[in-house]
Amino acid sequence: DIQMTQSPSSLSASVGDRVTITCQASQDISNYLNWYQQKPGKAPKLLIYDASNLETGVPSRFSGSGSGTDFTFTISSLQPEDIATYYCQQYDNLPAFGGGTKVEIK
Amino acid sequence: QVQLVQSGAEVKKPGASVKVSCKASGYTFTGYYMHWVRQAPGQGLEWMGRINPNSGGTNYAQKFQGRVTMTRDTSISTAYMELSRLRSDDTAVYYCARDMPGATGMDYWGQGTLVTVSS
Repeated sequence: DIQMTQSPSSLSASVGDRVTITCQASQDISNYLNWYQQKPGKAPKLLIYDASNLETGVPSRFSGSGSGTDFTFTISSLQPEDIATYYCQQYDNLPAFGGGTKVEIK
Repeated sequence: QVQLVQSGAEVKKPGASVKVSCKASGYTFTGYYMHWVRQAPGQGLEWMGRINPNSGGTNYAQKFQGRVTMTRDTSISTAYMELSRLRSDDTAVYYCARDMPGATGMDYWGQGTLVTVSS
């Protein structure tokens, strides 16, 4: 099974800061990597699919990059409404999620 | 518009089974895989498996092999996830989620169903 290592597990940043989350796959997954946002008590929401494609309606401050085994998710300017937990998910064969990153406001 | 509406919360005793439903609307049910993902309290997301609503074919995460059964009823555009031999650590919110057309994400999610396992 492909393992996903996501880091950090939590972070605290100020409004307007650039925030970066990384995800590493245990083997090459091409660009089959997605990013989700989950707010407390809510279902996850797809933000980025296939490593770098912004889902319809998602603000452009969210972006993703990478291929192979190393991937990055970026919020270019953190907003108060971005407080949530973010998950990466690979879908090379069968899906698997990273452990999540909880983003808080400093 | 695409909607996935799940059945209500359940309380079960250890050793029992639970069956959660996910009714789809707003798209061709048989056209896209349906996944099941669970989340224990305070924990991350865990993929359980998927079903091809067209063929009924399934793939399960190794962890749940032998305990989970995913089925569908195409006449009512509904997918089901049944988990047997429940344990206290199966207490979680269970989500259904649609496979994204032409890409690898899960683009629509149900509202979640809380399953509590307690004696």
